[in-house]
Amino acid sequence: DVKVTQSSRYLVKRTGEKVFLECVQDMDHENMFWYRQDPGLGLRLIYFSYDVKMKEKGDIPEGYSVSREKKERFSLILESASTNQTSMYLCASSFSAGPGTQYFGPGTRLLVL
Amino acid sequence: GESVGLHLPTLSVQEGDNSIINCAYSNSASDYFIWYKQESGKGPQFIIDIRSNMDKRQGQRVTVLLNKTVKHLSLQIAATQPGDSAVYFCAENDPSGTYKYIFGTGTRLKVLA
Repeated sequence: DVKVTQSSRYLVKRTGEKVFLECVQDMDHENMFWYRQDPGLGLRLIYFSYDVKMKEKGDIPEGYSVSREKKERFSLILESASTNQTSMYLCASSFSAGPGTQYFGPGTRLLVL
Repeated sequence: GESVGLHLPTLSVQEGDNSIINCAYSNSASDYFIWYKQESGKGPQFIIDIRSNMDKRQGQRVTVLLNKTVKHLSLQIAATQPGDSAVYFCAENDPSGTYKYIFGTGTRLKVLA
């Protein structure tokens, strides 16, 4: 089975702090994604990566950056956390270069005070 | 428990009955669709997918129907069980970007004992 893990299930941070969210997948997938999920909205893509050291902006990249130094690991960074970044963050990975199933991690619920 | 959507449409079904969850997708050029199940506090879990060259695909207790004429997708769950209680949402690939998907906001399924 595909396994996507995220470093934390719950995080509480203060406004202005730098926040790192890590995601690891064990299926040698090329593609990895970071989404946020908010009540009443569908998943919104923040950033994705289709190869090591490659990244592309999604629909809502402002306030976020990412890092992919190794194929299995994709990190989301909030340089200076703000209260409007309180959300559920979901990491996903997929194998196919074209449309293909995305496998999700369990999510990190981030609260920014 | 945690909620992925405070005001989602809700479908209540008696245990043992069949469930039908609907989804309207947005882009007639989308050619790949996925149904996900998300239990409270967890990440989305892949259920079944379908490509646009098919009208129907069956899995274990689940069937997905695709009507391209009206851009409509449905998920049928046979003999609904308490463990089926979750939020279900559909995803369509975004034809403008190879790796991108458009996610629906979801429907909450409640199974009544």
